[in-house]
Formats: sequence, C-alpha cells, structure tokens
Amino acid sequence: EPEVTQTPSHQVTQMGQEVILRCVPISNHLYFYWYRQILGQKVEFLVSFYNNEISEKSEIFDDQFSVERPDGSNFTLKIRSTKLEDSAMYFCASSERPRQGGSDGYTFGSGTRLTVV
Amino acid sequence: SQQGEEDPQALSIQEGENATMNCSYKTSINNLQWYRQNSGRGLVHLILIRSNEREKHSGRLRVTLDTSKKSSSLLITASRAADTASYFCATALSSSGSARQLTFGSGTQLTVLP
Repeated sequence: EPEVTQTPSHQVTQMGQEVILRCVPISNHLYFYWYRQILGQKVEFLVSFYNNEISEKSEIFDDQFSVERPDGSNFTLKIRSTKLEDSAMYFCASSERPRQGGSDGYTFGSGTRLTVV
Repeated sequence: SQQGEEDPQALSIQEGENATMNCSYKTSINNLQWYRQNSGRGLVHLILIRSNEREKHSGRLRVTLDTSKKSSSLLITASRAADTASYFCATALSSSGSARQLTFGSGTQLTVLP
C-alpha cells in the first residue's frame, strides 16, 4: 500500500537553529499538508499546498515557517529559527484530487518528532 | 464544546465487546473522518463520511452521522486487543476554501483488554 514517508523520525535541535523536515507524499496525490501535535494536545493544521503554492495556512504558520516542493517528489517544512514551543510531532499528509468536492481521506506519514532544546 | 470533540475521553472494554465513540462538532461540515493513532505513531485514516450520508461501514467499523445534531459515532464491533489506540474524529468544513483543512478533536483512548 502506498505510504507517505517522513524523515528524520526524530530531530533534536538547539533553539534558534533552522530545521528542515522532509516528506515524500504518495506519487499521484496532488494536495500536501503539514500538521503538528504538541505532546498531549490535539493535532493542529499548519498548511496545505496545491499546484506549487500554499492554498491555506493557520495562525500557527507564521513567518518562521515555510514549505517547498523542491522537486517532483519531496515536500519540505522549514522552521527558520526554532523556539522551545516548536517541540512537537510534525505530520505530513497527502490526498488525491477530491472527486465530489471537499477533502478525501488523507494518508499521513509516521511523523517527525522535533525536540528543541 | 470545540469543533470535533470526542467522548468518552477514555474507554476500557473486554476483547470481543463493542466499542462506541462519539464526536460532536459545531459548524457545518463537508465531511467527517475518523483516524486512529497508536501511541507515538502516525495517524491512520479509517473512514470518511460525507455530509449527505447517514451511515457507512468498513469491516468491523460502523460510522453514523447526524448533521441535525452535529454528531457522529464510531462503532468498532468484536473488538480485539490490537484495536487499542487513540481514535480521533476530524471535520472538513463546508466552505470550499477550507474544505481540505481538517480540525481534529482531542480523541478517545480505547483500551481493549485481552
């Protein structure tokens, strides 16, 4: 079964450093997403990406965050200057073009656990 | 309650019993989805039900949606120890621009005892 692959599985970084989280979505999917889950809290939407541009973003996704699809397969989330509160599990997801409008089920990756120290 | 809130927060049952989890939401939705998460792992999509559907089945899963009450339920029949996980409902709003953004609830932690 096709999978969304995320690397690394764990990342420890010092506060103020830049991190890049990487994702390989399912090849025929057109919509890509980043979500995060702070320990013990809800899964929160960060950003959606379609046709090489951001289609939606949440209040969490401020100027410190950026996304890129540098080639035909990778989808990356960059945090420019990490803060302690950025520590969370970051999930990448992808979905096909909706057939009836709205979203179809996503396929999520296993996540990258980011720890900022 | 917030958009996509599950109850109960925790549920413990014996293997073979049925497990029912409920989700309530506040605004109009395009669809509602249920996901499962094993501890510290990724989210696995279980089932999606659209706003014009009332019930859907997938294997041992049965999902209902009542848009008049803004609620959904997930029933897992004949539960197994391997069903132990957190279960989340997630709603996609009805406006086209936001239809692909999911809002997750806090989840129900299901424990199935062997």
